[in-house]
Amino acid sequence: KQEVTQIPAALSVPEGENLVLNCSFTDSAIYNLQWFRQDPGKGLTSLLLIQSSQREQTSGRLNASLDKSSGRSTLYIAASQPGDSATYLCAVGHGGFKTIFGAGTRLFVKA
Amino acid sequence: DVKVTQSSRYLVKRTGEKVFLECVQDMDHENMFWYRQDPGLGLRLIYFSYDVKMKEKGDIPEGYSVSREKKERFSLILESASTNQTSMYLCASSLRRRSTRDQPQHFGDGTRLSIL
Repeated sequence: KQEVTQIPAALSVPEGENLVLNCSFTDSAIYNLQWFRQDPGKGLTSLLLIQSSQREQTSGRLNASLDKSSGRSTLYIAASQPGDSATYLCAVGHGGFKTIFGAGTRLFVKA
Repeated sequence: DVKVTQSSRYLVKRTGEKVFLECVQDMDHENMFWYRQDPGLGLRLIYFSYDVKMKEKGDIPEGYSVSREKKERFSLILESASTNQTSMYLCASSLRRRSTRDQPQHFGDGTRLSIL
């Protein structure tokens, strides 16, 4: 059974710092991995989706990597800003409709 | 931009009531999903639909049913609401897989449902 773990559960950094969020999964037979952002009381916003054949995806200050063999993905955020404060979730896709979500990392960027 | 709209942000109902949660997407997506999100349990899939009138059970379908009569609309039904169904309900949609490329899921803002 696939399990998705995100460490740390919470992170506080000063503005301007580069940071890395981690996601690990137990079954490497995945179709894709997606990173989401969730603001308090809101739905999820898709940030990046990495296909199983890809190693990384970039969007602006965000870069996500995928290493299927080790069961790991990282989300790198460059030059963090207070507006980046949110919960970040990773989700592993197994094809069809099966998506397993991690519990998330709550990020707080201090001005 | 993809827009997934859930009919209510907050809803309060009583135990035993039949409750309808509505979700509409405007991007002609084939796939639609209903999740619930609970502290400590994360997001769990209730039901999935890949086409009109088609549905598949997710991880926790008990006590719920769904309806997809039109492509853009996916309804979640609590047949007889109970207090353990108090939760945040999230609807999502996505395009069907194209070639070898999976498509991202797009979420609505959620409905916070309280059953008293």
